Amino acid sequence: DARVTQTPRHKVTEMGQEVTMRCQPILGHNTVFWYRQTMMQGLELLAYFRNRAPLDDSGMPKDRFSAEMPDATLATLKIQPSEPRDSAVYFCASVGDTFELYFGPGTRLTVT
Amino acid sequence: DQQVKQNSPSLSVQEGRISILNCDYTNSMFDYFLWYKKYPAEGPTFLISISSIKDKNEDGRFTVFLNKSAKHLSLHIVPSQPGDSAVYFCAASAGYALNFGKGTSLLVTP
Repeated sequence: DARVTQTPRHKVTEMGQEVTMRCQPILGHNTVFWYRQTMMQGLELLAYFRNRAPLDDSGMPKDRFSAEMPDATLATLKIQPSEPRDSAVYFCASVGDTFELYFGPGTRLTVT
Repeated sequence: DQQVKQNSPSLSVQEGRISILNCDYTNSMFDYFLWYKKYPAEGPTFLISISSIKDKNEDGRFTVFLNKSAKHLSLHIVPSQPGDSAVYFCAASAGYALNFGKGTSLLVTP
C-alpha cells in the first residue's frame, strides 16, 4: 500500500527556532508538492518539484522558507527562523502520471 | 487572490438525502477539476475528477457536474451517509499544480 509519509507528525517550537519537515513521496512519483493548510487560507501551495528540480516556489515566503529535494525519496521544507504565523498543518503530496495528488498525513506545526 | 472558491464553509444533511457541494472558479485556463475529501488528522484523499471536455462524471454515489460557462462545478452525493461527514475540497488545475478552495465541512446526521 504505497503512501506518502511525513515526519514529524507534530512539532511544537518556540519563535525563532529552525523547523525542518520531511516527506517521502510514493516511489516512482516524480512530482512533489508542499501545501499549507490554515483556517483562513485553506490549502495554499508553497512549492513543487518535478524530477527533483524546483518548478515553482512563489507561494513561499523566501526570506525564511526553503524547500529542497536532495534525492528522489526525500523532500524537505525548512523554516528559519520560525514565527507564530507559521503555525499550520503542512502537507506533502506526490503525483505520478495523472492529476491525482496523493497527500501525506501532514505535519502540525505550532510556533509559540 | 483565491481562484477557487467554496462559499459555503459548512453544510448539514440528513442521512439518505442528497448533499450538494458547490465550487466556483475564476481562471478560464483551468482544464481539470477534482474533489478531495479530508478527515481530521489525515491528509486529503482524492474522490472524483472531471476534465473540462466533459460536463458530468459519475462514480457510485458521487457525481461531479461542470458548467464551464458559469465557471461552476458541484459535487452531488446521493444517498448521503454518516461516513461522508468530512471536509470536501474543490481543486482546479491548469498544469501541474492544483489550486484548492477553502473547503466545505459536510455533516451527515442520522
